[in-house]
Amino acid sequence: DVKVTQSSRYLVKRTGEKVFLECVQDMDHENMFWYRQDPGLGLRLIYFSYDVKMKEKGDIPEGYSVSREKKERFSLILESASTNQTSMYLCASRTLGTGGGEQYFGPGTRLTVT
Amino acid sequence: QKEVEQNSGPLSVPEGAIASLNCTYSDRGSQSFFWYRQYSGKSPELIMSIYSNGDKEDGRFTAQLNKASQYVSLLIRDSQPSDSATYLCAVSQNTGNQFYFGTGTSLTVIP
Repeated sequence: DVKVTQSSRYLVKRTGEKVFLECVQDMDHENMFWYRQDPGLGLRLIYFSYDVKMKEKGDIPEGYSVSREKKERFSLILESASTNQTSMYLCASRTLGTGGGEQYFGPGTRLTVT
Repeated sequence: QKEVEQNSGPLSVPEGAIASLNCTYSDRGSQSFFWYRQYSGKSPELIMSIYSNGDKEDGRFTAQLNKASQYVSLLIRDSQPSDSATYLCAVSQNTGNQFYFGTGTSLTVIP
């Protein structure tokens, strides 16, 4: 079974803090993704990585950065947390198999910024 | 803009009935299609993938794909209360890295 884990299920941070969200997958997947999910807005892609040290911006990268130093680990960084970054953050990974490959999600981190 | 459209619902069906969930997409280059189930407060869980025109069955679930009409659907037979969730449609190009998600259809199965 594919397993994607995230460092925290719930996190409460103060405005202006630097926040690190970690994601680890154990299936040697090439692609990893960070999304945020808000009611009424669906899943929105923040950043993705298609290889170690490679990253590409998604639809809403402002206020975020990412790091992928090892294939199995993809980190999302909120440089200076703001209240509008309160959300559910979902990490996913995907292999580039025949037909495009399936994407699997971690359990999510519900971040509250106060 | 690659768009994936779903009826937001909510869709309510009685227990034992067939639930039909629909999805259309705008990018004709899309080659891979997926259905995810998401329970409230949980992350999306992959339930079906389909790559070729026609039907694909897995237990009580059937995915249907019509690339000419740019349409993919999910049928849930013998619906159970445990099927009550939001169902997300996702599409991807074979050579691309991104998935494009619909905003989901909320399904309630009434006992």
